[in-house]
Amino acid sequence: ETGVTQSPTHLIKTRGQQVTLRCSSQSGHNTVSWYQQALGQGPQFIFQYYREEENGRGNFPPRFSGLQFPNYSSELNVNALELDDSALYLCASSLVGLAGGRDTQYFGPGTRLTVL
Amino acid sequence: DQQVKQNSPSLSVQEGRISILNCDYTNSMFDYFLWYKKYPAEGPTFLISISSIKDKNEDGRFTVFLNKSAKHLSLHIVPSQPGDSAVYFCAASPRTPLVFGKGTRLSVIA
Repeated sequence: ETGVTQSPTHLIKTRGQQVTLRCSSQSGHNTVSWYQQALGQGPQFIFQYYREEENGRGNFPPRFSGLQFPNYSSELNVNALELDDSALYLCASSLVGLAGGRDTQYFGPGTRLTVL
Repeated sequence: DQQVKQNSPSLSVQEGRISILNCDYTNSMFDYFLWYKKYPAEGPTFLISISSIKDKNEDGRFTVFLNKSAKHLSLHIVPSQPGDSAVYFCAASPRTPLVFGKGTRLSVIA
């Protein structure tokens, strides 16, 4: 069983640029959630994807967007980067059944984004 | 408004002793709670969870206690080991998303 993987590990961008972060979910999982963790804070929910549809969104502007692919991998795209977007971006996968139920989320190692 | 609070930013415990990490929440809709451990340069690792229908859940050295009336949960680690040194996050869920506290840094001293 493979765990959650993310790429790249580190990334440096300049203000105004665009970035794409990638996540491969744990095998057998059908749901992917993205979180932003700023220094000294807990992870903050960005959005979740279930069956390739956005299934919930946190308090993040529309320039944060995402995709989920048929193999349940996912991308996080951020346009018009701002200095405050510098953070650790975490992807988490889980298995949500048809009846819903509890989704214990398993996290990848994260992508450290620095915006200069 | 922080819905999940971990009021102790750090905690130091001697090896072999009990570590107690605390977490308070404000939202009555939360009914599922989790603890994650995070080492530097790694993602959070799931430790243990508890549903609101229970008041205790054990898994080896880790026990989580839930006091719904006080909206408080705690994680007990017995005995503490140097490898337990990490940042511990409490998270709560009505379903999705997970709402995290800011974390408590545990240092276990040999």
